[in-house]
Amino acid sequence: SQKIEQNSEALNIQEGKTATLTCNYTNYSPAYLQWYRQDPGRGPVFLLLIRENEKEKRKERLKVTFDTTLKQSLFHITASQPADSATYLCALVSLNQAGTALIFGKGTTLSVSS
Amino acid sequence: DAGVTQSPTHLIKTRGQQVTLRCSPKSGHDTVSWYQQALGQGPQFIFQYYEEEERQRGNFPDRFSGHQFPNYSSELNVNALLLGDSALYLCASSLRQGSNQPQHFGDGTRLSIL
Repeated sequence: SQKIEQNSEALNIQEGKTATLTCNYTNYSPAYLQWYRQDPGRGPVFLLLIRENEKEKRKERLKVTFDTTLKQSLFHITASQPADSATYLCALVSLNQAGTALIFGKGTTLSVSS
Repeated sequence: DAGVTQSPTHLIKTRGQQVTLRCSPKSGHDTVSWYQQALGQGPQFIFQYYEEEERQRGNFPDRFSGHQFPNYSSELNVNALLLGDSALYLCASSLRQGSNQPQHFGDGTRLSIL
């Protein structure tokens, strides 16, 4: 069956450390993968997109990697701050579909303590 | 520049009733997608509209229907409401179906079924 899994429901780290979130998928052929941030009571906000032929993408303190052999994406936040505390969602768009519907994981809730 | 707006923000209905949720896309966007997010879960794709037609549909029953208007705004209708329909309903807009543009989400309508 097709699955997209974010391995940790919750991740607690100290301010200044690097947070690493994992997203694994099964039986999908992603055209590209996206990461979103969601705060309580709000809609998801787009952070980064990485295509199947890209290995790494960076934006300020954020870095995402994409390994189609391992069927995995890693999302890193360096020098984390309490303001980074939120739920982070990975989502993919499959090659095997007609449109651009996003298939989401359940999310990982990150808590950064000062 | 207004982002995606959804109305109402909260709604309480009883089983068997019908509900209509509304969405105005981000200025310049022509594609609207609807997602259902249950508590503690990632968003699940319901359907996507482009050029006033449903272009892609997720695994939701026919009780869920939609519409897109010439100004690109959209409605989600749910008939014969069930307790399990209680969720946050998210609208997302993007530019042109088939592109790999990120989706911009509204803050959702919280629907509670009693």
